[in-house]
Amino acid sequence: GAGVSQSPSNKVTEKGKDVELRCDPISGHTALYWYRQSLGQGLEFLIYFQGNSAPDKSGLPSDRFSAERTGGSVSTLTIQRTQQEDSAVYLCASRTRGTYTEAFFGQGTRLTVV
Amino acid sequence: RKEVEQDPGPFNVPEGATVAFNCTYSNSASQSFFWYRQDCRKEPKLLMSVYSSGNEDGRFTAQLNRASQYISLLIRDSKLSDSATYLCVVIAYNTDKLIFGTGTRLQVFP
Repeated sequence: GAGVSQSPSNKVTEKGKDVELRCDPISGHTALYWYRQSLGQGLEFLIYFQGNSAPDKSGLPSDRFSAERTGGSVSTLTIQRTQQEDSAVYLCASRTRGTYTEAFFGQGTRLTVV
Repeated sequence: RKEVEQDPGPFNVPEGATVAFNCTYSNSASQSFFWYRQDCRKEPKLLMSVYSSGNEDGRFTAQLNRASQYISLLIRDSKLSDSATYLCVVIAYNTDKLIFGTGTRLQVFP
């Protein structure tokens, strides 16, 4: 497709289970970002990948969170041993390199931990 | 102190009003600036980039003040459809890391 694709769109999981969220960026976009947005809050930076460089993981809230990007394309965000406070919308964005290039967002994965 | 700060609002204005939002950033090495718009339960979308010389797109005007480290967004002749959250975005120099403000909520009423 032409846009950023995220799956699943909704995920309900039990506390303590692991979840994997997927992001398929726009083809050719070298930068990929993950953000988390809790209800009524702003976007919290989690991690960002740029080409073959080491990812910037400075926003990951705990070691239960990890992400990888295979072949410079698809990315997976994994949350282990989910907690109720992990409930949020997880947004992925991609963009090309450049000072004023636009970041395009996927529609997000709404994660609910029960 | 947060890297990017915005007044959360809400700003409640009547149709036709002019409204302005500010956003301050803490990193003086910040390089690129944007305003994004986010509708309720939707993903953010680019509204406009903010250039050093300022720029205008129809009813929307964006300004950058590097000395005081803030950017602004002015909306003239507000429409009901302008009701949304406006997010300030900053990229630090020599990185591609996008830092978002918490957003300013605008509600335009008839």
